Amino acid sequence: QKEVEQDPGPLSVPEGAIVSLNCTYSNSAFQYFMWYRQYSRKGPELLMYTYSSGNKEDGRFTAQVDKSSKYISLFIRDSQPSDSATYLCAMSVNNYGQNFVFGPGTRLSVLP
Amino acid sequence: ETGVTQSPTHLIKTRGQQVTLRCSSQSGHNTVSWYQQALGQGPQFIFQYYREEENGRGNFPPRFSGLQFPNYSSELNVNALELDDSALYLCASSSTHSGGYTFGSGTRLTVV
Repeated sequence: QKEVEQDPGPLSVPEGAIVSLNCTYSNSAFQYFMWYRQYSRKGPELLMYTYSSGNKEDGRFTAQVDKSSKYISLFIRDSQPSDSATYLCAMSVNNYGQNFVFGPGTRLSVLP
Repeated sequence: ETGVTQSPTHLIKTRGQQVTLRCSSQSGHNTVSWYQQALGQGPQFIFQYYREEENGRGNFPPRFSGLQFPNYSSELNVNALELDDSALYLCASSSTHSGGYTFGSGTRLTVV
């Protein structure tokens, strides 16, 4: 079993839809959870950073962490064609870098 | 100058050769990490440098080595290149007081 699992997609949705992206993990020591967006031929761009369980909202994005289920989610409201990218979840044990473990990424296409 | 810059953007090497990739960290960031991202996969942690010392390493052989300089720029060296080393190599920097990393756009290495 991989340490972080993520449905690779591709996921296609119409413009304006609510998108739900998910990751599961096996290491209960993970405390910090991140979502990155990666456009083609670019490096990952940090979208959300959360610590421990609960919800965090930033504009159209909401990150949710359920540590008891080892499950994290990213919701995108009112999705736009510019949201078309690969979304990577990442997690770590500590807050100062060192071995962020990434999921394989979910490719999202938002169709106009 | 802001952001993380990497050079070169692309290069092609022959199996058995050596390669050096370069990274200039974001201003104020004293921690740099290198990741390898194979096609269709999430980034995998290679190692991290803090104040010119390696302070974390992933599951990569010793032929992957690095340096961090006093200005916090960094190099990744790979000796005895293998075909499986073909990937996008990402540099990421952070300050010890922030969460998450800022990634560069990467160097696309092709080994033939």
